[in-house]
Amino acid sequence: GQSLEQPSEVTAVEGAIVQINCTYQTSGFYGLSWYQQHDGGAPTFLSYNALDGLEETGRFSSFLSRSDSYGYLLLQELQMKDSASYFCAVRDQDYGGSQGNLIFGKGTKLSVKP
Amino acid sequence: DSGVTQTPKHLITATGQRVTLRCSPRSGDLSVYWYQQSLDQGLQFLIQYYNGEERAKGNILERFSAQQFPDLHSELNLSSLELGDSALYFCASSPEAGNTYNEQFFGPGTRLTVL
Repeated sequence: GQSLEQPSEVTAVEGAIVQINCTYQTSGFYGLSWYQQHDGGAPTFLSYNALDGLEETGRFSSFLSRSDSYGYLLLQELQMKDSASYFCAVRDQDYGGSQGNLIFGKGTKLSVKP
Repeated sequence: DSGVTQTPKHLITATGQRVTLRCSPRSGDLSVYWYQQSLDQGLQFLIQYYNGEERAKGNILERFSAQQFPDLHSELNLSSLELGDSALYFCASSPEAGNTYNEQFFGPGTRLTVL
């Protein structure tokens, strides 16, 4: 079957660094994405990795190791507003270069404490 | 604001009923995706349409159906509703050309409550 595993909850303090891991098992692999969702809100795109290595976008970085079927999202200089759920997602289909649906993990609820 | 609109925002109905959820994608986006989010299941992919045609199906029940119209808006029809269908239903859209980041844009969702 297809699955993405990530921790259900993580707690950290303001200013700290937190890493949210994701391991995946899918029939195909066309990139690992991360989405943020605040309570009651819509998921919003954070980052994407298609190749191995680290991608940095401001305070957020995302890493991928395709050989290990593993990735992580790194959040630095945590702020209270970072309290949200974070989802990893894999696209497992390719339609000749066009987009396919995402398979999401169950999400990691991050609580940032003062 | 992602540019994706969904109506209604909230829907309360009874078991056995049928409802229709509506989604308008971002201008120019050809793909529309429907996802269901319930408390213990995370975001579950239901179905994808591309330019009016069904492209992929996920864990969509036979009681559920969808379509995408020529103006690219999409509707998700849920029938013979059960208590377990209570969830947030999200619609997302994505551009095709130039979308090298697998980015999907999500609407605000429709919260369905089945009593």
